[in-house]
Amino acid sequence: QVQLVESGGGVVQPGRSLRLSCAGSGFTFGNYGIHWVRQAPGKGLEWMALITYDGRNIYYEDSVKGRFTLSRDNSKNTVYLQMSSLRPEDTAVYYCAKSPRRDGSFLEYWGPGTLVTVSS
Amino acid sequence: DIQMFQSPPTLSASVGDRVSIACRASQSISSWLAWYQQKPGKAPKLLITKASTVQSGVPSRFSGSGSGTEFTLTISSLQPDDSATYYCQQYNSYPETFGQGTKLEIK
Repeated sequence: QVQLVESGGGVVQPGRSLRLSCAGSGFTFGNYGIHWVRQAPGKGLEWMALITYDGRNIYYEDSVKGRFTLSRDNSKNTVYLQMSSLRPEDTAVYYCAKSPRRDGSFLEYWGPGTLVTVSS
Repeated sequence: DIQMFQSPPTLSASVGDRVSIACRASQSISSWLAWYQQKPGKAPKLLITKASTVQSGVPSRFSGSGSGTEFTLTISSLQPDDSATYYCQQYNSYPETFGQGTKLEIK
């Protein structure tokens, strides 16, 4: 069955960096786009970014553009979200999700999420 | 960017009621709309795609309708397990965007 698992969350100081990983299994990972969505405590869902199946096209929401970088290693069935210059408002649960297509579309399967807390 | 607006923000209804949640897009998104259900502490679950296609395994009491800028999620006969927050999402263009959510409570 399709599974996605995020890892790398934790507590980080403002201005520092953190890298999240999203590992997929149960499907041909290199054939599908992967989304990232975050949810601040008690708030709604915020779509952040998408990386296409081959990593050649990446789309970001404006609030993270220039600070967050997506990449993928299909040989390891993993997508990476490199987050830099972190701010307290980046505190959230971060989810990765599989697209049903090579690029963007709806979010078909979700991981359980990983919590990132930005605090001094 | 396309903005998505949901109403109402919260909804309280009784078991067996028919309930509807509205979602409006700031510009036409054709039928490129999905609905998700999220329970506390859990990842969202996909319910409906392309405005009205109910996903396999989703109870038949859930349905979706609309196109262009106006969409509706309907639960025909509310069950206790339907207590959750519901989100619409447009995937017509990047950045893909979510509505702010509707929290559905069972009386």
